[in-house]
Amino acid sequence: EAQVTQNPRYLITVTGKKLTVTCSQNMNHEYMSWYRQDPGLGLRQIYYSMNVEVTDKGDVPEGYKVSRKEKRNFPLILESPSPNQTSLYFCASSWSSTGDQPQHFGDGTRLSIL
Amino acid sequence: GENVEQHPSTLSVQEGDSAVIKCTYSDSASNYFPWYKQELGKRPQLIIDIRSNVGEKKDQRIAVTLNKTAKHFSLHITETQPEDSAVYFCAAYKLNDMRFGAGTRLTVKP
Repeated sequence: EAQVTQNPRYLITVTGKKLTVTCSQNMNHEYMSWYRQDPGLGLRQIYYSMNVEVTDKGDVPEGYKVSRKEKRNFPLILESPSPNQTSLYFCASSWSSTGDQPQHFGDGTRLSIL
Repeated sequence: GENVEQHPSTLSVQEGDSAVIKCTYSDSASNYFPWYKQELGKRPQLIIDIRSNVGEKKDQRIAVTLNKTAKHFSLHITETQPEDSAVYFCAAYKLNDMRFGAGTRLTVKP
């Protein structure tokens, strides 16, 4: 089944404790992206990747890191999480390297930073 | 950067009525406009999209119109059903940059 898989689905942690949210897609998609969803703000892009080893900042990259060492994986790293990063996070992928095609979203990861 | 505004933020209609959601964008270079539906607790899913070289696209009860001159695009849902109840997001894309509207919560009353 074609899908985007995120882990964990839920995480409660404390300020400053490094965490990684994994994202994997099995569709051989070129483009992958991370979004955060906050009430009243819609989806805001954090980082995106057009291909292996090619990543770039989105609208709200501060406090986040990403890597794309393999085509299928695109982890989101919070080196020193803070409470303002409490949010619902979605990973998405698209077959087009430029992202101007339908994006397939994962099920989301709800992060709470205390 | 691109700014996408979406209206209304909430919309309540009676089953069988039509629903219209409108979005405006600021950057005339935007060339791809998808619409996503997000049911409660679930992932956003694409329902329809349109490119800048097309003025209108229809898929059964769903249609999208694009006015490039005015820089706005709209989602039209006809003969609404309770299962259409969800949050709908518009988006505008330009050069690797996808910007979403804040969302519209649609409630269809049986």
